[in-house]
Amino acid sequence: AQSVSQHNHHVILSEAASLELGCNYSYGGTVNLFWYVQYPGQHLQLLLKYFSGDPLVKGIKGFEAEFIKSKFSFNLRKPSVQWSDTAEYFCAVNAPGGSEKLVFGKGTKLTVNP
Amino acid sequence: NAGVTQTPKFQVLKTGQSMTLQCAQDMNHEYMSWYRQDPGMGLRLIHYSVGAGITDQGEVPNGYNVSRSTTEDFPLRLLSAAPSQTSVYFCASSTGSHSPLHFGNGTRLTVT
Repeated sequence: AQSVSQHNHHVILSEAASLELGCNYSYGGTVNLFWYVQYPGQHLQLLLKYFSGDPLVKGIKGFEAEFIKSKFSFNLRKPSVQWSDTAEYFCAVNAPGGSEKLVFGKGTKLTVNP
Repeated sequence: NAGVTQTPKFQVLKTGQSMTLQCAQDMNHEYMSWYRQDPGMGLRLIHYSVGAGITDQGEVPNGYNVSRSTTEDFPLRLLSAAPSQTSVYFCASSTGSHSPLHFGNGTRLTVT
């Protein structure tokens, strides 16, 4: 069964600091990878996705993620965070062509102090 | 377009009561799913459907039933509510595994 691990439960940064959130998955075949963001009191929104091609994926609001197949990783990065990036971030994976189930990690809460 | 609409937004139940959480989407998405979100647990899949008349279990299906009689609607039924079902429930839809999920605004359920 697929599983997703997010290494950091809570990350606290100051504005302008760089961000990297770790995500590892367990499935050995072809995967679709996603990062979702949940701002306080809101539902989840798509930040970026990877299906195939260039392993460096750019998303909204200056976020990017790099897919490293050999490490089963899909880490999220942002060079300079803002207070408005305070949110919870979820990594998710599914296996195309098989089950439609999308498996989420437990999430990383990011707090950015002004 | 309304997207994914969930009702109610808040609900308080007593142990043993039953209720149905409603979910409707107007995007003609074939795939719909229900998740529960609990602190420190992320989102866990309860049930999902790949089209009208087809449903399957997710990671935590016990205590919940679903049906998919139309493409638009995917209600989640709690048969006999328990305090362990206190959670925030999200409905989501998509066109398939290559497409991102569109989430509803959630239903916050408290079972006392």
